[in-house]
Amino acid sequence: NAGVTQTPKFQVLKTGQSMTLQCAQDMNHEYMSWYRQDPGMGLRLIHYSVGAGITDQGEVPNGYNVSRSTTEDFPLRLLSAAPSQTSVYFCASRARDTQYFGPGTRLTVL
Amino acid sequence: GDSVTQMEGPVTLSEEAFLTINCTYTATGYPSLFWYVQYPGEGLQLLLKATKADDKGSNKGFEATYRKETTSFHLEKGSVQVSDSAVYFCALSPGGNYQLIWGAGTKLIIKP
Repeated sequence: NAGVTQTPKFQVLKTGQSMTLQCAQDMNHEYMSWYRQDPGMGLRLIHYSVGAGITDQGEVPNGYNVSRSTTEDFPLRLLSAAPSQTSVYFCASRARDTQYFGPGTRLTVL
Repeated sequence: GDSVTQMEGPVTLSEEAFLTINCTYTATGYPSLFWYVQYPGEGLQLLLKATKADDKGSNKGFEATYRKETTSFHLEKGSVQVSDSAVYFCALSPGGNYQLIWGAGTKLIIKP
């Protein structure tokens, strides 16, 4: 069991560029989510999905898109990167009340 | 709305000291409460949880008791080690959809 995997681990973008952060889980969890972690602010929910084909917005969805075509994969797309999106991004899947996190992607937008 | 408040860090202790990290919450109903830990360079992982009042969660020498009368879920450990250095997050789940509401995190530094 690999658990939750994320790629890349590190990424530097220029303002206006787009990219996709990959997330996959092999635990057959229906619920998956994306968070961003900023200093002193804990985790903020960007988007989540309760199953394949179903996504919804979290607390800070602007500037991000998601899709869920399979149970395993839940990619996060940055449409036009901005410096305010510099952060550490975590993907998580959930079994009942326990969340399982990936190792994170550290994104810097110049 | 529902919220979680943690003590600000960093908390710096010597090895073998007693640890308390305070966590209080505001919620309607009967939430579940959690402590997650984030070791340097890693994602978060569940440390312990409690799902009803007076429950005690425990793991790796850490304990926390769900106190409804004081709306608290303080994390304690009797004797900390250098390897406990990490960021600790308190969180609550209001129930139903299992969405988590997070505290800001408390960085713990243990000096040898």
